[in-house]
Amino acid sequence: KAGVTQTPRYLIKTRGQQVTLSCSPISGHRSVSWYQQTPGQGLQFLFEYFSETQRNKGNFPGRFSGRQFSNSRSEMNVSTLELGDSALYLCASSLAGGGEKLFFGSGTQLSVL
Amino acid sequence: GEDVEQSLFLSVREGDSSVINCTYTDSSSTYLYWYKQEPGAGLQLLTYIFSNMDMKQDQRLTVLLNKKDKHLSLRIADTQTGDSAIYFCAESSEGNTPLVFGKGTRLSVIA
Repeated sequence: KAGVTQTPRYLIKTRGQQVTLSCSPISGHRSVSWYQQTPGQGLQFLFEYFSETQRNKGNFPGRFSGRQFSNSRSEMNVSTLELGDSALYLCASSLAGGGEKLFFGSGTQLSVL
Repeated sequence: GEDVEQSLFLSVREGDSSVINCTYTDSSSTYLYWYKQEPGAGLQLLTYIFSNMDMKQDQRLTVLLNKKDKHLSLRIADTQTGDSAIYFCAESSEGNTPLVFGKGTRLSVIA
């Protein structure tokens, strides 16, 4: 069974631009969660989608948004990028979400210049 | 809100045992997890324990849970250089709430 796939692996953007990251969950998993990882803040929860609906949301500004498609694939979007958005963005999937064990992708490393 | 605390660094010699500690605040935790992250990679689920258990052993890994003190530990026996990584503790609560992660413990194994 294929694992969680995130694309692209690396991204370089400049301030003010927007970016879209993609995540394909493990087949059969209906929940997709997104986390931001930085050296100073560790892993911070962005949001979770289950059956195309946002079920949980972390404490991030509205510039961070996401969606989930009917095939459970998910995208997250960051608009008006800031230098502080530079981070590793991790996607994780699980069968039903909530507090279930998560399976992570390798992440997208975003650098904002 | 819920919080998970871990020490940031641990250094051990190859062949010794490593013990990584974690404390959490949520008394309604249901599952507690240990994840491993190697450089440039995502998080890999190592093991987990249900909150009504005290101990779980899985090959070189032993998880101990003291629910009264809200303390979780991961013991790695016969630590190898390949165990060098960041280890994250995470806890889940009742209901559809997301996992809460600690900041991770960087384990360095000295040959």
